Amino acid sequence: NAGVTQTPKFRVLKTGQSMTLLCAQDMNHEYMYWYRQDPGMGLRLIHYSVGEGTTAKGEVPDGYNVSRLKKQNFLLGLESAAPSQTSVYFCASSPSGTRKSYEQYFGPGTRLTVT
Amino acid sequence: LAKTTQPISMDSYEGQEVNITCSHNNIATNDYITWYQQFPSQGPRFIIQGYKTKVTNEVASLFIPADRKSSTLSLPRVSLSDTAVYYCLVGPYGGSQGNLIFGKGTKLSVKP
Repeated sequence: NAGVTQTPKFRVLKTGQSMTLLCAQDMNHEYMYWYRQDPGMGLRLIHYSVGEGTTAKGEVPDGYNVSRLKKQNFLLGLESAAPSQTSVYFCASSPSGTRKSYEQYFGPGTRLTVT
Repeated sequence: LAKTTQPISMDSYEGQEVNITCSHNNIATNDYITWYQQFPSQGPRFIIQGYKTKVTNEVASLFIPADRKSSTLSLPRVSLSDTAVYYCLVGPYGGSQGNLIFGKGTKLSVKP
């Protein structure tokens, strides 16, 4: 099993450009998440999904959109990138079920720089 | 939503036992306590989860007193490879996944 994979690993954008980050998991997990991590900070939840076709806002959703068209994929979109969105983005997935859902499996991260 | 408080950093030496305490005074009856480990340039990794008393796995032990207002992650005989950031999370049983907050964690430095 590859677990959770993220594409791309690195990206540099100019202000105003758009891009999509792809997250894929092969563990048949119901729940998927997108986090961002800034230097010296913990992870902050952007959006999450509790199943195919569903999404919900997390702690810092502004400036991002997400889609979960297939159970194994969770896409994070930036429509108009801003320097404040420079960060490392982590995707995670977890099984359903209230207790097991906190056992999240994380991808390797995408390092995004917006100039 | 229960807020957690952890030390910002801790130092230890190889072979020692390390105990990291997390305070969560407002923990609710249906909250579970979960700990994650994060190495530089990697995503966090689940370590252990518990509700009360003691939980032990191959990596660590988690001690939770009867009042559940704090918890202690215990790492036996640490090595240099245990240098990482450790996060304590408190989440509601049956609640929204959006309530899961990582915080800044505790940066553990293990020295030779």
